[in-house]
Amino acid sequence: SQQGEEDPQALSIQEGENATMNCSYKTSINNLQWYRQNSGRGLVHLILIRSNEREKHSGRLRVTLDTSKKSSSLLITASRAADTASYFCATDAYNNYGQNFVFGPGTRLSVLP
Amino acid sequence: KAGVTQTPRYLIKTRGQQVTLSCSPISGHRSVSWYQQTPGQGLQFLFEYFSETQRNKGNFPGRFSGRQFSNSRSEMNVSTLELGDSALYLCASRIGGLNYEQYFGPGTRLTVT
Repeated sequence: SQQGEEDPQALSIQEGENATMNCSYKTSINNLQWYRQNSGRGLVHLILIRSNEREKHSGRLRVTLDTSKKSSSLLITASRAADTASYFCATDAYNNYGQNFVFGPGTRLSVLP
Repeated sequence: KAGVTQTPRYLIKTRGQQVTLSCSPISGHRSVSWYQQTPGQGLQFLFEYFSETQRNKGNFPGRFSGRQFSNSRSEMNVSTLELGDSALYLCASRIGGLNYEQYFGPGTRLTVT
């Protein structure tokens, strides 16, 4: 099963509202990253939070990390229609060959005008 | 600084054919990773190259291969294409290890008929 799992799978809100997405993972990590993807395009890096950090901000984005619960949340405040996208968390994980990023299935956010 | 570029952007191939996709990383980035994205499986890690050496690989059959050149440009090759290989192939570069953010290209949309 995947290292990261986002929740909810889909979220629909009105412009101006806040959107919260959660990510849970299974094994210990060194860092966790959040990415945004507009429909069928490349991913854009949003925030990287290290395992020794608890909270990080970037503009309207706030990410928290709880390593004891193996979970992270992404909060987008005062959402805009342009925030409509899929959001993914990625964690570093080991496989038989080494270390790589593992992405969750994503949360599809729709911001309605 | 120019972003990650991928060529071609769209490709239609027939079952049994082979295909080569190209990725040019951000200048100075020595790590290039490839991902396959499908609606059913999500984002899956294919392999990573660093300084012309494959540093890690995911769980894909040997039909998927790659290489990296001395200028850090990378190619991936898929031989004997199957219908299930239809996907968005994304390339990402980063300056160092997994503690650094990845920068993604726009992707190559491969359709196998």
